[in-house]
Amino acid sequence: GAGVSQSPSNKVTEKGKDVELRCDPISGHTALYWYRQSLGQGLEFLIYFQGNSAPDKSGLPSDRFSAERTGGSVSTLTIQRTQQEDSAVYLCASSFNRQETQYFGPGTRLLVL
Amino acid sequence: EDQVTQSPEALRLQEGESSSLNCSYTVSGLRGLFWYRQDPGKGPEFLFTLYSAGEEKEKERLKATLTKKESFLHITAPKPEDSATYLCAVQGGGGGNKLTFGTGTQLKVEL
Repeated sequence: GAGVSQSPSNKVTEKGKDVELRCDPISGHTALYWYRQSLGQGLEFLIYFQGNSAPDKSGLPSDRFSAERTGGSVSTLTIQRTQQEDSAVYLCASSFNRQETQYFGPGTRLLVL
Repeated sequence: EDQVTQSPEALRLQEGESSSLNCSYTVSGLRGLFWYRQDPGKGPEFLFTLYSAGEEKEKERLKATLTKKESFLHITAPKPEDSATYLCAVQGGGGGNKLTFGTGTQLKVEL
């Protein structure tokens, strides 16, 4: 069956520009997560959505980062006024519910020049 | 705060040379310990979930074990296609539903 999909797969932007990253979770999965993987570092949690509950935003590094999930399915992570330190791989994961295994998408590789 | 430390950072094996990867963790109320495999340029691929000390799971040449302080990923008679980065993560009782990851072990299996 179809896994988690993310777009774009690569994104190059200039410092100060805004970017939007998209995630399509596995059909039927109610929980959706965003993580960031920087070179030489482990995956870092950003934000978590579960059904219609308020999202857990505790991992967002600054107020330049925001995310939304429309209709309980697709999610968009937005980074405003990008900085060079935002360069990383942004990974999305989904799970059947909050108790279950998280399955990851292929990631979006973001490079801020 | 949940913490995960993986060792070694990198490991080079000859084909057929068995070894183990270590994942040490501190967590408030372990809800699950996860192993993933990550190939270059791809997202992590799920391997195993372990829930309680003493639990073991196997898949092909891989076997994961769990104690109260650490987990091991045993690789028996590895093949070149087992080359990848292996990631360990924990889900704690006090940290919402996020996974806390280690930095991984980069495994290379040579002919």
